[in-house]
Amino acid sequence: AQTVTQSQPEMSVQEAETVTLSCTYDTSESDYYLFWYKQPPSRQMILVIRQEAYKQQNATENRFSVNFQKAAKSFSLKISDSQLGDAAMYFCAYRSASYGNKLVFGAGTILRVKS
Amino acid sequence: SAVISQKPSRDICQRGTSLTIQCQVDSQVTMMFWYRQQPGQSLTLIATANQGSEATYESGFVIDKFPISRPNLTFSTLTVSNMSPEDSSIYLCSGSWSYNEQFFGPGTRLTVL
Repeated sequence: AQTVTQSQPEMSVQEAETVTLSCTYDTSESDYYLFWYKQPPSRQMILVIRQEAYKQQNATENRFSVNFQKAAKSFSLKISDSQLGDAAMYFCAYRSASYGNKLVFGAGTILRVKS
Repeated sequence: SAVISQKPSRDICQRGTSLTIQCQVDSQVTMMFWYRQQPGQSLTLIATANQGSEATYESGFVIDKFPISRPNLTFSTLTVSNMSPEDSSIYLCSGSWSYNEQFFGPGTRLTVL
């Protein structure tokens, strides 16, 4: 079974600075999808960024980018120019392209942004 | 993207009773899911809601406790039956029409006294 590990329970960043959230996963599959979701105190899950495993190029969405290392099974999220509104719980998630459609989530990382 | 709504947004219930949560998607989706999120924890998949057939439950979750309906491609319900305080949690509905997209409802916060 696939597993997703987020080793940082909590991170802090100064406003306007850059922070990187770590995620590793375990799978024997070659085709899959990876996601970062943000959950603010409102508890609404918001899709931040996604990466298809077959794409070598790292995904980027405005201030959010990923460092996808397929061989190392690593999928970190970099947030540039951090803003107060970035404060939230961030979840890394894995989805197989072959076996079912389930999202497997990591434990989450709480991101605090200091002004 | 899809907009997913849930009703109720929150409820406080007495033990032994049941609560039905509704999930409405503003467009047709291939797959719908129900998750549970306990306070400060990650999301755990309860089941996949299948249109026109019985839901597919994950290990540790059973139909008698969490009956699910999905009458069409935009609507699903989850019932939490014979509730106990251990069922206090946030329940989230999710919809997807492709492997690289999955959207979530705002969640239902359930407190069982």
